[in-house]
Amino acid sequence: KQEVTQIPAALSVPEGENLVLNCSFTDSAIYNLQWFRQDPGKGLTSLLLIQSSQREQTSGRLNASLDKSSGRSTLYIAASQPGDSATYLCAVRGSQGNLIFGKGTKLSVKP
Amino acid sequence: ETGVTQSPTHLIKTRGQQVTLRCSSQSGHNTVSWYQQALGQGPQFIFQYYREEENGRGNFPPRFSGLQFPNYSSELNVNALELDDSALYLCASSSHPTGNYGYTFGSGTRLTVV
Repeated sequence: KQEVTQIPAALSVPEGENLVLNCSFTDSAIYNLQWFRQDPGKGLTSLLLIQSSQREQTSGRLNASLDKSSGRSTLYIAASQPGDSATYLCAVRGSQGNLIFGKGTKLSVKP
Repeated sequence: ETGVTQSPTHLIKTRGQQVTLRCSSQSGHNTVSWYQQALGQGPQFIFQYYREEENGRGNFPPRFSGLQFPNYSSELNVNALELDDSALYLCASSSHPTGNYGYTFGSGTRLTVV
């Protein structure tokens, strides 16, 4: 059974710092992995989608990497801003086409 | 291109009642999935619909049921509501049932059962 873990559960950094969020999964036979952002009480905003054949994807200040063999993905945020404060969720695609989520990392960027 | 829209945004129901939540998929998407997110947890997969048929289901009891319409919009119905059903319900749409091209989520419906 696929399980997704995100560490740390919460992270607080000063504005301008570069940071890394971690995601691990137990079954390396994934189809793709997607990173989302969730603001309090709101829906999910897709940030990056990495297919199983890819090693990384980039969008602006965000870079996500995927290492299937070790069951890990990282989301790198460069030059963090207070507006980046949110919960970041990673999800892998399950066998039914569904997404299996971690519990998320709650990020707080202090001005 | 319109995104995924859900209605209502919030509602309060009494234990034992029934509720219907609605979702309009993103333009061009034929697959709709529903997720339940309890406070402080990641979303949990309820079920998925493709071309009006359920083609995947998570570990939820039969009192959670759904429909997909010819225009690919969808409903989630929950009967005999329990206090633990209080959660954010998220709808997601995709252009393919395999999810190979990723998912787009709506803003969710916050359900409170009292």
